[in-house]
Amino acid sequence: KAGVTQTPRYLIKTRGQQVTLSCSPISGHRSVSWYQQTPGQGLQFLFEYFSETQRNKGNFPGRFSGRQFSNSRSEMNVSTLELGDSALYLCASSLVAGGLAGELFFGEGSRLTVL
Amino acid sequence: GDSVTQMEGPVTLSEEAFLTINCTYTATGYPSLFWYVQYPGEGLQLLLKATKADDKGSNKGFEATYRKETTSFHLEKGSVQVSDSAVYFCALILNTGNQFYFGTGTSLTVIP
Repeated sequence: KAGVTQTPRYLIKTRGQQVTLSCSPISGHRSVSWYQQTPGQGLQFLFEYFSETQRNKGNFPGRFSGRQFSNSRSEMNVSTLELGDSALYLCASSLVAGGLAGELFFGEGSRLTVL
Repeated sequence: GDSVTQMEGPVTLSEEAFLTINCTYTATGYPSLFWYVQYPGEGLQLLLKATKADDKGSNKGFEATYRKETTSFHLEKGSVQVSDSAVYFCALILNTGNQFYFGTGTSLTVIP
């Protein structure tokens, strides 16, 4: 079956702009989580959506937001971009909320560069 | 709070060498423990897991044992190959299932 698909794979923005990233989970998976990956910090949890509801949120400013649609596809948005937002943004899906089934399935990520 | 600490990289080994990547955790509850691997240009994928104390997870020649007494889940492989070159992440999730906590990753390069 198809894996987790993230679009776009690469993008370049300038400070102050906003960006929207998209994630299509594995068919049948209702949970989508987002992570920010940077060389020094590893993976930092942004938020998780389950059945269109934000279930959990990490310690990021309000500029970072997300949503999930009825088909489980998810988007995340970052407004007023800062240089420090440059990172690989990873989406992960799982069958049940919080990955309690024991496995997250990751997409290849969207690499954002802010100039 | 809940967290995972893993050894700093990068790690460079010759082919067929023995690999250990250390991972320790702090958890307010009872966690399940995981190792994920990220090959160049790809997303993370599950390598192995253990859900209770003294369990041993294994896959592709890699092993890790859940040690509650030392709060550790060290990754080992007896003989690494060039194809094992990747970044390895230790992670935990509590049985309450709120979120995964990942370590910062350890980059491994295996040279022929």
